[in-house]
Amino acid sequence: QLQLQESGPGLVKPSETLSLTCTVSGGSINSSSYYWGWIRQPPGKGLEWIGNIYYSGSTYFNPSLKSRVTISVDTSKNHFSLELSSVTAADTAVYFCARAAVAGIYYYFDFWGQGTLVTVSS
Amino acid sequence: SYELTQPPSVSVSPGQTARITCSGDALPKKYAYWYQQKSGQAPVLVIYEDSKRPSGIPERFSGASSGTMATLTISGAQVEDEADYYCYSADSSGNLVVFGGGTKLTVL
Repeated sequence: QLQLQESGPGLVKPSETLSLTCTVSGGSINSSSYYWGWIRQPPGKGLEWIGNIYYSGSTYFNPSLKSRVTISVDTSKNHFSLELSSVTAADTAVYFCARAAVAGIYYYFDFWGQGTLVTVSS
Repeated sequence: SYELTQPPSVSVSPGQTARITCSGDALPKKYAYWYQQKSGQAPVLVIYEDSKRPSGIPERFSGASSGTMATLTISGAQVEDEADYYCYSADSSGNLVVFGGGTKLTVL
């Protein structure tokens, strides 16, 4: 059964870089049928798409975050990673990793990790 | 930027039909998807491509889309359906995917 698990520091200082990894088990990240993405949710608020990566390394980002986001993939370790630079308190959120099923020109998130809370504070 | 607009809250009694709407300018040309998120949990896909149900999702969940509005319908809502519901779609270019602001469904 597919599982996604986020890992990384739960506390990051302002102006530093947030780094998270999503480890995929029960399935291969090396598939042309899926993207692998990051979504976040500030406490008490809605969902915001951050960006996706394809197994080939192609990336797609939310324009509002693009200048600060890096997403990478390591197919040998079956995991992908998120880096968000120059963080502020506004970046405090639960960060979810998810698999995105590709259907023609569309994609949608069909499996999600449990999420990990990252707090930005000094 | 692109926005999908949902009502903040919907309330029904158990057994009644709950309808949650999502409006967006690109919906006439883009599929809508719906997610259910219970408190403290990850979202779960309940409707994809406007009206299809993933396996394991009860038949009381259905979806439809017409013009600039997509609708999630829960026929005979149950207490366990209490959750936040988010619509999801893409802008007209397909380069930006967004979630609606979410609708809190209360069943009591």
